[in-house]
Amino acid sequence: DAGVIQSPRHEVTEMGQEVTLRCKPISGHNSLFWYRQTMMRGLELLIYFNNNVPIDDSGMPEDRFSAKMPNASFSTLKIQPSEPRDSAVYFCASSVQQGGNQPQHFGDGTRLSIL
Amino acid sequence: GNSVTQMEGPVTLSEEAFLTINCTYTATGYPSLFWYVQYPGEGLQLLLKATKADDKGSNKGFEATYRKETTSFHLEKGSVQVSDSAVYFCALSGGGGADGLTFGKGTHLIIQP
Repeated sequence: DAGVIQSPRHEVTEMGQEVTLRCKPISGHNSLFWYRQTMMRGLELLIYFNNNVPIDDSGMPEDRFSAKMPNASFSTLKIQPSEPRDSAVYFCASSVQQGGNQPQHFGDGTRLSIL
Repeated sequence: GNSVTQMEGPVTLSEEAFLTINCTYTATGYPSLFWYVQYPGEGLQLLLKATKADDKGSNKGFEATYRKETTSFHLEKGSVQVSDSAVYFCALSGGGGADGLTFGKGTHLIIQP
């Protein structure tokens, strides 16, 4: 079975540019999560969706960040404009259904560097 | 809100040594508890989970017991191998909070031959 697929694996861009990260969840999974990992702050939840609807975006750091899930098989996380402090590894995860006891399956992440 | 505290390491052990990584949590209600493992350059993989008090999760020789009285979920393994070298994350979800995971800072484990 295919796992969670993220693209690109690596992204290097200059400050001020728009960045779009992409995620394809596991087929049949109804919940999708975006996390950010940095040395200073560890792993932080940014936003999550259930059945394509955003449920909690309280972790999104600023208005420069936005996320969409137009259908059950695709989600994007966009940063516009990007800043050097946005440099991090961004993970997407999915789970079978809403509920805290369901394990989440993670993609391999996108390593983002903003120069 | 929810929080997870774990020893950060690095923890360096010799092969076949006994492993304990401590994890304690703060949450309202009854969260589910997880251990995830991250190998270099990869995403997180679920190692084990427990969804209610006194449950024991186990996988690949690792174990952890959900202790509500001490709000702990310590990870143990009787005999570690070099291939266990990785970063281990304790996490929780639910328990009055959102469905997203709240993670500890991670413990870097290094096993020497």
